[in-house]
Amino acid sequence: DVKVTQSSRYLVKRTGEKVFLECVQDMDHENMFWYRQDPGLGLRLIYFSYDVKMKEKGDIPEGYSVSREKKERFSLILESASTNQTSMYLCASSSFDGRSGNTIYFGEGSWLTVV
Amino acid sequence: AQSVTQPDIHITVSEGASLELRCNYSYGATPYLFWYVQSPGQGLQLLLKYFSGDTLVQGIKGFEAEFKRSQSSFNLRKPSVHWSDAAEYFCAVVPNQAGTALIFGKGTTLSVSS
Repeated sequence: DVKVTQSSRYLVKRTGEKVFLECVQDMDHENMFWYRQDPGLGLRLIYFSYDVKMKEKGDIPEGYSVSREKKERFSLILESASTNQTSMYLCASSSFDGRSGNTIYFGEGSWLTVV
Repeated sequence: AQSVTQPDIHITVSEGASLELRCNYSYGATPYLFWYVQSPGQGLQLLLKYFSGDTLVQGIKGFEAEFKRSQSSFNLRKPSVHWSDAAEYFCAVVPNQAGTALIFGKGTTLSVSS
C-alpha cells in the first residue's frame, strides 16, 4: 500500500520558534510537494521538489524553506513561526507515466497552531 | 494569470437530486485534470482524473466529469446525490507537464438537504 507519512498530525508552537514538518514517502517518487490548506482559499502550493536537493518555489513560499537531502524525505521549515502560519499542511508525492499521467498521493496532513 | 476557478463557494442540493460542480481553468495547453473530495477532518480523496482519451471520465462513488476543451471546463456531475456526499470538493490541474505541481481551485462546499 502506497504511503505518504507526515510525522506530526497536531503541533502547537510559539511565535518565533523554528518548526520542522517532516514528510516521508515509500514509493520512490521523484516529485514531492508541500501545500497549506485554509478555509476559503483551498490548497496553496508552498514548495515542491523534483529531485534530491532540488526545489522550486510555489505560490506562497514566503516564511518557509524546504530540505530534500534524501529522495524519500521532504521537510518543510518555518524559520520563525508566526500566527498567520497557523494552518493545515499537506505533503504529497507524485509519479508520472505516459499511460495514465500523474498519480498524486497525499499525506494525512499536519495541523499547526502558532500561539 | 494561470488559475483554476470554482465559481460556486457553497451549493445545497436535495438528497436524490442531480449535482453539477463547475470548474474552469485558464492554462493554454490541455492540462491534466482532477477532482478531489474532502470530508470534514479527513484527507483528500481522488474522485477521478482526466489525462487523455475519452472526455467523459467515470470516477468513484458514482461521479463523472466531462472535459470540454472549447470551454476550458471540467465539471463534476452525479445523477443522484446521497447525504454522505456532503463534503468539500476541489478541482485541480497539472499544467500538462510531468513533474509539475497540482494547482487547486478554492473548493466548493456541498450541503445535502433531506
